[in-house]
Amino acid sequence: ELKVEQNPLFLSMQEGKNYTIYCNYSTTSDRLYWYRQDPGKSLESLFVLLSNGAVKQEGRLMASLDTKARLSTLHITAAVHDLSATYFCAVRGDTPLVFGKGTRLSVIA
Amino acid sequence: ETGVTQTPRHLVMGMTNKKSLKCEQHLGHNAMYWYKQSAKKPLELMFVYSLEERVENNSVPSRFSPECPNSSHLFLHLHTLQPEDSALYLCASSQERPPHEQFFGPGTRLTVL
Repeated sequence: ELKVEQNPLFLSMQEGKNYTIYCNYSTTSDRLYWYRQDPGKSLESLFVLLSNGAVKQEGRLMASLDTKARLSTLHITAAVHDLSATYFCAVRGDTPLVFGKGTRLSVIA
Repeated sequence: ETGVTQTPRHLVMGMTNKKSLKCEQHLGHNAMYWYKQSAKKPLELMFVYSLEERVENNSVPSRFSPECPNSSHLFLHLHTLQPEDSALYLCASSQERPPHEQFFGPGTRLTVL
């Protein structure tokens, strides 16, 4: 059974700082997805990572995938308040997506 | 605009009521999904339809009944729900080929009294 673990689950960071969210998964997969969810809203697709070594960047967010380590990272550079949200990673195995519990990020001044 | 719409956005119902949630996707996808999101658990996959056939039912209680009349529409029929069924119900769609990226609707916030 595919299991997906994110850490940390809660993250409070100052504006301008850098930080990384980690996503580990338990079985072989080369398809990993990152989503963002604002309070009371739906999930917005951020990145799709489809191969080992894949790296994608959008603004202050950069995601990478290491399929051998079964690890993806979401790196935040010079955080700003607008990045405050919950971030989910999801992995596709033999079944449709299995989601992590999410990382609730708060960016404070 | 995500291309996936859901109605109603909010629903309050009693335990003896029958109601339905509707999802429509305008993205030309051929797979659709129902998820439940509650405060106590991570996002839970409830049902998957691929090419209008149900391919997965994650042991969901029979008080939830899905219907997929065509590749653009998905319903979730609700009857005799329990208060613990109160949650955000999200619909998503994707293509049944890589990258399998799922696009989500805005959700229906359901409260069962």
